[in-house]
Amino acid sequence: ILNVEQSPQSLHVQEGDSTNFTCSFPSSNFYALHWYRWETAKSPEALFVMTLNGDEKKKGRISATLNTKEGYSYLYIKGSQPEDSATYLCAFPESGGYQKVTFGTGTKLQVIP
Amino acid sequence: SAVISQKPSRDICQRGTSLTIQCQVDSQVTMMFWYRQQPGQSLTLIATANQGSEATYESGFVIDKFPISRPNLTFSTLTVSNMSPEDSSIYLCSGQGTTYEQYFGPGTRLTVT
Repeated sequence: ILNVEQSPQSLHVQEGDSTNFTCSFPSSNFYALHWYRWETAKSPEALFVMTLNGDEKKKGRISATLNTKEGYSYLYIKGSQPEDSATYLCAFPESGGYQKVTFGTGTKLQVIP
Repeated sequence: SAVISQKPSRDICQRGTSLTIQCQVDSQVTMMFWYRQQPGQSLTLIATANQGSEATYESGFVIDKFPISRPNLTFSTLTVSNMSPEDSSIYLCSGQGTTYEQYFGPGTRLTVT
Protein backbone atom coordinates (compact mmCIF):
# COMPACT_ATOMS: atom_id res chain seq x y z
CA ILE A 1 0.00 0.00 0.00
CA LEU A 2 1.51 3.31 -1.07
CA ASN A 3 1.67 6.22 1.32
CA VAL A 4 0.25 9.33 -0.30
CA GLU A 5 -0.30 12.10 2.20
CA GLN A 6 -1.81 15.51 1.91
CA SER A 7 -1.62 18.44 4.24
CA PRO A 8 -3.35 20.23 5.69
CA GLN A 9 -6.54 18.21 5.95
CA SER A 10 -8.63 21.34 5.82
CA LEU A 11 -8.08 25.00 5.29
CA HIS A 12 -10.15 28.17 5.63
CA VAL A 13 -8.98 31.26 3.80
CA GLN A 14 -10.47 34.66 3.15
CA GLU A 15 -11.50 35.60 -0.35
CA GLY A 16 -8.55 37.15 -2.15
CA ASP A 17 -5.91 35.34 -0.11
CA SER A 18 -3.45 33.03 -1.80
CA THR A 19 -2.92 29.56 -0.42
CA ASN A 20 -1.06 26.37 -1.02
CA PHE A 21 -1.08 22.78 0.11
CA THR A 22 1.08 19.72 -0.17
CA CYS A 23 0.99 16.19 -1.49
CA SER A 24 3.81 13.84 -0.53
CA PHE A 25 4.38 10.51 -2.22
CA PRO A 26 7.03 7.79 -2.52
CA SER A 27 10.02 9.21 -4.40
CA SER A 28 11.08 5.84 -5.80
CA ASN A 29 9.47 4.42 -8.96
CA PHE A 30 7.82 7.69 -9.87
CA TYR A 31 5.64 7.75 -12.97
CA ALA A 32 3.25 10.63 -12.59
CA LEU A 33 1.22 12.65 -10.13
CA HIS A 34 -2.35 13.77 -10.68
CA TRP A 35 -4.26 16.59 -9.03
CA TYR A 36 -8.06 16.63 -8.86
CA ARG A 37 -10.63 19.07 -7.59
CA TRP A 38 -13.80 17.67 -6.05
CA GLU A 39 -16.59 20.12 -5.45
CA THR A 40 -19.51 19.11 -3.31
CA ALA A 41 -22.24 17.28 -5.28
CA LYS A 42 -20.04 17.13 -8.39
CA SER A 43 -17.57 14.67 -9.89
CA PRO A 44 -13.85 14.90 -9.15
CA GLU A 45 -12.28 16.89 -11.98
CA ALA A 46 -8.73 16.35 -13.24
CA LEU A 47 -6.62 19.50 -12.84
CA PHE A 48 -3.10 18.45 -13.71
CA VAL A 49 -1.06 15.44 -14.75
CA MET A 50 2.55 16.00 -13.77
CA THR A 51 5.33 13.76 -14.97
CA LEU A 52 8.72 15.49 -14.88
CA ASN A 53 10.79 16.64 -11.95
CA GLY A 54 10.60 20.41 -11.82
CA ASP A 55 7.32 20.49 -13.74
CA GLU A 56 5.17 23.51 -13.15
CA LYS A 57 1.66 23.60 -14.53
CA LYS A 58 -0.90 26.36 -14.47
CA LYS A 59 -4.62 26.61 -15.04
CA GLY A 60 -5.98 30.08 -14.42
CA ARG A 61 -5.24 30.99 -10.81
CA ILE A 62 -4.23 27.46 -9.89
CA SER A 63 -0.73 26.13 -10.38
CA ALA A 64 1.23 23.10 -9.26
CA THR A 65 4.88 22.18 -8.91
CA LEU A 66 6.56 18.82 -8.69
CA ASN A 67 9.69 17.55 -6.96
CA THR A 68 10.11 13.86 -7.70
CA LYS A 69 13.46 13.53 -5.94
CA GLU A 70 12.06 14.50 -2.59
CA GLY A 71 8.56 13.20 -3.25
CA TYR A 72 6.27 16.19 -3.01
CA SER A 73 4.03 18.41 -5.05
CA TYR A 74 2.53 21.76 -4.15
CA LEU A 75 -0.77 23.15 -5.35
CA TYR A 76 -1.11 26.94 -5.26
CA ILE A 77 -4.23 29.04 -5.57
CA LYS A 78 -3.71 32.73 -6.16
CA GLY A 79 -6.39 35.16 -5.04
CA SER A 80 -8.81 32.51 -3.75
CA GLN A 81 -12.45 32.86 -4.69
CA PRO A 82 -15.50 31.20 -3.09
CA GLU A 83 -15.85 28.99 -6.17
CA ASP A 84 -12.45 27.49 -5.33
CA SER A 85 -14.01 25.86 -2.30
CA ALA A 86 -13.59 22.13 -2.84
CA THR A 87 -11.56 19.14 -1.77
CA TYR A 88 -8.28 18.89 -3.65
CA LEU A 89 -6.96 15.37 -4.15
CA CYS A 90 -3.64 14.17 -5.40
CA ALA A 91 -3.27 10.70 -6.88
CA PHE A 92 -0.20 8.58 -7.46
CA PRO A 93 -0.18 5.83 -10.11
CA GLU A 94 1.38 2.67 -8.81
CA SER A 95 3.21 1.64 -11.95
CA GLY A 96 4.11 3.07 -15.30
CA GLY A 97 1.40 3.13 -17.91
CA TYR A 98 -0.98 1.63 -15.47
CA GLN A 99 -4.16 2.65 -14.34
CA LYS A 100 -4.33 1.97 -10.65
CA VAL A 101 -3.79 5.03 -8.54
CA THR A 102 -3.63 5.69 -4.85
CA PHE A 103 -5.45 8.81 -3.76
CA GLY A 104 -4.40 11.04 -0.91
CA THR A 105 -6.92 11.91 1.77
CA GLY A 106 -7.41 15.35 0.30
CA THR A 107 -7.26 18.95 1.45
CA LYS A 108 -10.66 20.52 2.00
CA LEU A 109 -10.52 24.20 1.15
CA GLN A 110 -13.16 26.68 2.16
CA VAL A 111 -12.92 30.23 0.88
CA ILE A 112 -14.82 32.68 3.04
CA PRO A 113 -16.38 35.62 1.18
CA SER B 1 -11.98 14.07 -22.20
CA ALA B 2 -14.78 11.65 -21.41
CA VAL B 3 -18.19 12.38 -19.95
CA ILE B 4 -19.39 9.76 -17.52
CA SER B 5 -22.93 9.35 -16.31
CA GLN B 6 -23.96 7.28 -13.36
CA LYS B 7 -27.28 6.23 -11.93
CA PRO B 8 -28.91 6.29 -9.54
CA SER B 9 -27.49 9.49 -8.07
CA ARG B 10 -28.62 8.45 -4.62
CA ASP B 11 -30.61 5.78 -2.90
CA ILE B 12 -31.71 4.72 0.54
CA CYS B 13 -31.79 0.95 0.89
CA GLN B 14 -32.71 -1.50 3.57
CA ARG B 15 -30.23 -3.84 5.17
CA GLY B 16 -29.93 -7.16 3.33
CA THR B 17 -30.99 -5.85 -0.07
CA SER B 18 -28.84 -5.23 -3.14
CA LEU B 19 -28.37 -2.20 -5.36
CA THR B 20 -26.96 -2.08 -8.88
CA ILE B 21 -25.24 1.11 -10.01
CA GLN B 22 -24.83 1.80 -13.70
CA CYS B 23 -22.01 3.74 -15.33
CA GLN B 24 -21.99 4.93 -18.94
CA VAL B 25 -19.07 6.59 -20.71
CA ASP B 26 -19.66 8.76 -23.77
CA SER B 27 -16.49 7.62 -25.51
CA GLN B 28 -14.24 4.64 -25.36
CA VAL B 29 -11.86 4.53 -22.48
CA THR B 30 -9.20 1.94 -21.91
CA MET B 31 -9.93 1.28 -18.28
CA MET B 32 -12.94 1.68 -16.03
CA PHE B 33 -12.79 1.64 -12.26
CA TRP B 34 -15.10 1.61 -9.29
CA TYR B 35 -14.28 3.56 -6.15
CA ARG B 36 -15.85 4.07 -2.79
CA GLN B 37 -15.59 7.02 -0.47
CA GLN B 38 -16.70 6.29 3.05
CA PRO B 39 -17.43 9.21 5.34
CA GLY B 40 -14.27 11.06 6.29
CA GLN B 41 -12.03 8.96 4.08
CA SER B 42 -10.41 9.26 0.69
CA LEU B 43 -11.28 7.43 -2.47
CA THR B 44 -10.66 3.71 -2.23
CA LEU B 45 -10.42 1.56 -5.32
CA ILE B 46 -12.84 -1.36 -5.25
CA ALA B 47 -11.95 -2.96 -8.57
CA THR B 48 -10.95 -2.53 -12.18
CA ALA B 49 -13.81 -3.39 -14.52
CA ASN B 50 -12.46 -5.52 -17.37
CA GLN B 51 -14.37 -5.75 -20.60
CA GLY B 52 -15.80 -9.19 -21.15
CA SER B 53 -14.05 -10.79 -18.20
CA GLU B 54 -14.08 -10.85 -14.45
CA ALA B 55 -13.17 -7.64 -12.66
CA THR B 56 -9.88 -7.30 -10.81
CA TYR B 57 -10.61 -6.69 -7.13
CA GLU B 58 -8.48 -4.88 -4.61
CA SER B 59 -7.59 -6.30 -1.27
CA GLY B 60 -10.60 -6.30 1.00
CA PHE B 61 -13.17 -6.44 -1.78
CA VAL B 62 -14.68 -9.63 -3.17
CA ILE B 63 -16.82 -10.52 -6.13
CA ASP B 64 -19.63 -11.99 -4.06
CA LYS B 65 -20.14 -8.67 -2.30
CA PHE B 66 -19.42 -6.35 -5.24
CA PRO B 67 -20.14 -8.12 -8.52
CA ILE B 68 -19.11 -6.01 -11.50
CA SER B 69 -19.92 -6.34 -15.16
CA ARG B 70 -18.50 -4.59 -18.18
CA PRO B 71 -20.13 -6.02 -21.29
CA ASN B 72 -18.59 -3.42 -23.62
CA LEU B 73 -16.08 -0.58 -23.61
CA THR B 74 -18.51 2.11 -22.52
CA PHE B 75 -20.76 0.53 -19.90
CA SER B 76 -20.26 -1.06 -16.49
CA THR B 77 -22.34 -1.96 -13.47
CA LEU B 78 -21.46 -2.41 -9.81
CA THR B 79 -23.79 -4.26 -7.48
CA VAL B 80 -23.57 -3.81 -3.74
CA SER B 81 -24.96 -7.06 -2.38
CA ASN B 82 -26.53 -7.96 0.93
CA MET B 83 -26.06 -4.43 2.16
CA SER B 84 -25.31 -3.37 5.70
CA PRO B 85 -25.04 0.13 7.18
CA GLU B 86 -21.25 -0.09 6.73
CA ASP B 87 -21.81 0.01 2.97
CA SER B 88 -23.19 3.55 3.22
CA SER B 89 -20.80 5.48 1.00
CA ILE B 90 -20.42 7.42 -2.18
CA TYR B 91 -19.68 5.04 -5.06
CA LEU B 92 -17.94 6.46 -8.12
CA CYS B 93 -17.02 5.00 -11.45
CA SER B 94 -14.21 6.39 -13.54
CA GLY B 95 -12.68 5.97 -16.96
CA GLN B 96 -9.03 6.43 -17.71
CA GLY B 97 -7.89 8.95 -20.28
CA THR B 98 -4.95 8.77 -22.67
CA THR B 99 -2.57 10.43 -20.20
CA TYR B 100 -3.85 8.20 -17.40
CA GLU B 101 -5.92 10.86 -15.71
CA GLN B 102 -9.30 9.67 -14.63
CA TYR B 103 -12.71 11.00 -15.49
CA PHE B 104 -15.30 10.44 -12.84
CA GLY B 105 -19.00 9.98 -12.81
CA PRO B 106 -21.10 12.15 -10.48
CA GLY B 107 -21.28 9.40 -7.89
CA THR B 108 -24.01 7.42 -6.21
CA ARG B 109 -24.72 8.34 -2.62
CA LEU B 110 -25.90 5.20 -0.87
CA THR B 111 -27.46 5.11 2.57
CA VAL B 112 -28.24 1.74 4.11
CA THR B 113 -30.70 1.69 6.98
